[in-house]
Amino acid sequence: EVQLVESGGGLVKPGGSLRLSCAASGFTFSKAWMSWVRQAPGKGLEWVGRIKSKTDGGTTEYAAPVKGRFTVSRDDSKNTQYLEMNSLRSEDTAVYYCTTWGRYYDGSAYYFFDYWGQGTLVTVSS
Amino acid sequence: DIQMTQSPSSLSASVGDRVTITCRASQSVSNYLNWYQQKPGKAPKLLIYAASSLRSGVPSRFSGGGSGTDFSLTISSLQPEDFATYYCQQTYSTWTFGQGTKVEIK
Repeated sequence: EVQLVESGGGLVKPGGSLRLSCAASGFTFSKAWMSWVRQAPGKGLEWVGRIKSKTDGGTTEYAAPVKGRFTVSRDDSKNTQYLEMNSLRSEDTAVYYCTTWGRYYDGSAYYFFDYWGQGTLVTVSS
Repeated sequence: DIQMTQSPSSLSASVGDRVTITCRASQSVSNYLNWYQQKPGKAPKLLIYAASSLRSGVPSRFSGGGSGTDFSLTISSLQPEDFATYYCQQTYSTWTFGQGTKVEIK
């Protein structure tokens, strides 16, 4: 059974930093592409960032609102994905979900978030 | 960024009703379109990918259609466990979600 367990959320002051972790099990983590999605209280979903497997280059990409402030990384020896968040703002307040970045090929490549963790709440407030 | 607009934002329906939610993209996204279901306090779940492919394990009463800029999610016979919020997502360019459609009990 695929399990994704986030941790590291909490209350942080504007301008502060936080690192989220996502412990994965039930699948071959080193081959998985991973991602982070967030949801502000009472709002919709927003993709944050993603990372490919090391064998596929380990490249990362970010949404515009977090680019330059957030960093996605992975430690395959620990089956863990990370989200390092710096220069936090009030608008970063959200539940942060760890997801697997699934893909399907039929001549074209289709991507989706197929497994999700339960989420961890980050509150940015003074 | 490509904007995704869902309609309606909310709807009330009864068990057994046929329900259709639409999602419109601000420019063509071909069929790079996914649908998710989210229940209160829970993580979203993938229902449909590539506009019309049903994820394994998802009941066949869910179906997706469309291409280009206009898409739909249809629930053929609404069940009690289907009351939730539904989101579309495009993965054609810089992935973005619709604002969500809340399906409530009438």
